[in-house]
Parts: sequence; C-alpha cells; structure tokens
Amino acid sequence: EADIYQTPRYLVIGTGKKITLECSQTMGHDKMYWYQQDPGMELHLIHYSYGVNSTEKGDLSSESTVSRIRTEHFPLTLESARPSHTSQYLCASAPGRASYEQYFGPGTRLTVT
Amino acid sequence: SQQGEEDPQALSIQEGENATMNCSYKTSINNLQWYRQNSGRGLVHLILIRSNEREKHSGRLRVTLDTSKKSSSLLITASRAADTASYFCATGSGGSNYKLTFGKGTLLTVNP
Repeated sequence: EADIYQTPRYLVIGTGKKITLECSQTMGHDKMYWYQQDPGMELHLIHYSYGVNSTEKGDLSSESTVSRIRTEHFPLTLESARPSHTSQYLCASAPGRASYEQYFGPGTRLTVT
Repeated sequence: SQQGEEDPQALSIQEGENATMNCSYKTSINNLQWYRQNSGRGLVHLILIRSNEREKHSGRLRVTLDTSKKSSSLLITASRAADTASYFCATGSGGSNYKLTFGKGTLLTVNP
C-alpha cells in the first residue's frame, strides 16, 4: 500500500465555492501529479511538479491551480467550482531517477451541484 | 489523440481462465507500464517493460512488447474473482519519462 493520502475522499459542493483538494505523501518523492478521470474513462494529466517550487500544467487544460511549497504536499485548488468540474481527481507521486513507476492515492470524487 | 488504446474495452471470463488485454500506442516510447484500478479507487502499478525488452513476467502476469507494431499485451493466468478491475496501459516517451499517457482501459470481470 502506497503512503500517499488524499482528502477529502468525497466532496459535494455548490457552484461558485472555493475548494482545495489535499494530497500528501510520506515517501520523500520529488515528482507529484494530479490527474482527472471521468467514470470509465482514461486519466488526464492536469498538473505536475518535479520538486519544491516547481509546477507545470499538464496535457488537459484545467481551471485549477496547484502549489508545491513542501516536498510532501501538493494541494489542488479550484477558486470557483462549476458543475463541469465534477469528476474524480487522482494524485500520484514518483521517486524519479531510474524509477518511472507512479504511486497513486485513493482519489477524491468531486460533485459540484 | 490518445497515445494508448486498450482492447477490448470490456472482458468477462470465468475464474481459472486466462485474460488477455492489448494496448496500442502511436509514438515512440521509452517504457510501457500496466496499472490496475479497482472500482472508485486509485491505480496500482503492476509491471513495467522497457522499450528494449520483449517480454516480462511477474507472478501470474506476463507482458509482451512489440515496438515494431507499437503494441503490448497483458496476460493474467489462472484468473481469480479478485482480479476484477480496470486495467490501463501507460506510456512514457521522449524526454518526459516521468509523465505518463494513459489509455482508456479494459474492464475485466472475473466471474466466480
């Protein structure tokens, strides 16, 4: 079982609210990722980080923002939630160097009403 | 367009049978990985095969890679009900070995 945690696991929130999805890992991994996944569909990379103070946008455009102030913490924020943001958000980390395997958290299922 | 495409989209078998899933991709890769996702959960890494490898085994899993056809297959032998999950291939390519592109997955159902 990977030591990567996401909170909350489930979130139902109204349109226009600001939300932050938390992701933490205790493995000391430099690389961290956020993916968005609709039910029964593929994962889309929306943000990634290769280390502290490094963040990049992924392949899928997203209105969310991320920060990486500490190695172990990679929160994702939506300033104003909309129904189109309803999805599952998966956080992952990787040790880098010669290892390309990613370790995933359990995910946050977000519903915006 | 999607880098990885799994085939079939869904597969239903009986316990004890073998399950084979295929993945095709479009561009050159450095490695290809297979992950499992139980319903509503995060993904779990199963196996990685590098572009210079043709076959790899891990327990009941066997992965093959044919770079000339840009395809890979995952074989699960002697399947169990606990193998019921979605299986995704993911490719790392170019200078972005640490960024993965995932396919749409194969939903495997193993009936007891």
